[in-house]
Amino acid sequence: GAVVSQHPSRVICKSGTSVKIECRSLDFQATTMFWYRQFPKQSLMLMATSNEGSKATYEQGVEKDKFLINHASLTLSTLTVTSAHPEDSSFYICSARDPGGGAQIDTQYFGPGTRLTVL
Amino acid sequence: DAKTTQPPSMDCAEGRAANLPCNHSTISGNEYVYWYRQIHSQGPQYIIHGLKNNETNEMASLIITEDRKSSTLILPHATLRDTAVYYCIVRVVSYDKIIFGKGTRLHILP
Repeated sequence: GAVVSQHPSRVICKSGTSVKIECRSLDFQATTMFWYRQFPKQSLMLMATSNEGSKATYEQGVEKDKFLINHASLTLSTLTVTSAHPEDSSFYICSARDPGGGAQIDTQYFGPGTRLTVL
Repeated sequence: DAKTTQPPSMDCAEGRAANLPCNHSTISGNEYVYWYRQIHSQGPQYIIHGLKNNETNEMASLIITEDRKSSTLILPHATLRDTAVYYCIVRVVSYDKIIFGKGTRLHILP
């Protein structure tokens, strides 16, 4: 199946600093990518939809100025957590939509996740 | 997207078939049934999807009832590596967003 990578896999930062997480589709072009956050023992929560070349669409309750999303190319989307605080510590997961080809139905593929710890 | 209902947890003996149910009684005619799973501390993994016919791939089988109000994911010979949270999702493909519910935590017992 298609592969989506994330970098870094794990990051520890000090409170008040900003952290950038990259999401790449390795073998397909993704016009749409998604960002999720997951707290321990909870389900994934959709944060925003990222469309190549346009502004991201944020879910209700997600601060767009705190979670900056850039989708500058068909294979790369970035999530920047600005002025991170301990409550931002979480598992961040991206997914990329593969439009497929022919009669196939598109499917989303998920990255391995990035564990953010804010001290 | 239609709401789904899944049992919070299930156990299955290793080597046996794991049958995971999902209720989606309000599914619309243009909504597909998708299954994903998430192994601890990893990203979700796509398993299978279907509209109304039963589907099978190398990972699992998907059985959808004739009225489409429920479905069952079948892992034919469960192994310890199948221990994960399994999510049943119904969505219109063109709508893109995947909204996760709480899923079923499947424990494979040795």
